[in-house]
Amino acid sequence: KQEVTQIPAALSVPEGENLVLNCSFTDSAIYNLQWFRQDPGKGLTSLLLIQSSQREQTSGRLNASLDKSSGRSTLYIAASQPGDSATYLCARTDSWGKLQFGAGTQVVVTP
Amino acid sequence: DGGITQSPKYLFRKEGQNVTLSCEQNLNHDAMYWYRQDPGQGLRLIYYSQIVNDFQKGDIAEGYSVSREKKESFPLTVTSAQKNPTAFYLCASSERGSGETQYFGPGTRLLVL
Repeated sequence: KQEVTQIPAALSVPEGENLVLNCSFTDSAIYNLQWFRQDPGKGLTSLLLIQSSQREQTSGRLNASLDKSSGRSTLYIAASQPGDSATYLCARTDSWGKLQFGAGTQVVVTP
Repeated sequence: DGGITQSPKYLFRKEGQNVTLSCEQNLNHDAMYWYRQDPGQGLRLIYYSQIVNDFQKGDIAEGYSVSREKKESFPLTVTSAQKNPTAFYLCASSERGSGETQYFGPGTRLLVL
């Protein structure tokens, strides 16, 4: 069974520190890898999408890398702010467009 | 203002009752999806549709039904056969259903009375 794992489940950092969120998957034959943000009681917001042919994507303070050979993706958030507090989910996509999600990492950035 | 709307925000189900969750999109997307989220867990796919009048079961389709009569609408019915329906339900859409970015609605929280 293909699985997506996110470690740690929760993370607390002081404002200004860089965040490193990890995502691992058991099947390297992914179509692409997506990172989402979810605020409490809300829907998901897409942050970055990395296609299987790419190694990384960047948007502002966010950078996501993809290493298919090791089955890992990492989301970096530079100079964290209290507004970055949320749950971050990664999801692998198969060629049919179906997403398989990890359980998420809950992030708290303290002022 | 383009996006995905879900209604209602909260829904209460009585024992033995079927309830229907609404999902509408004005993004002109071909593909639509329904996910279920339980506390502390990731999302699990219930049903998806890549074209009008066609839909496929996801990983946890038992106790649920859907229809796709219009491109912009993809309602989900939680039937009485679903014994543990309490969860947060999220609808999403994507342009073609071939691995591109999915856009999510605000969700519906279903509670059992």
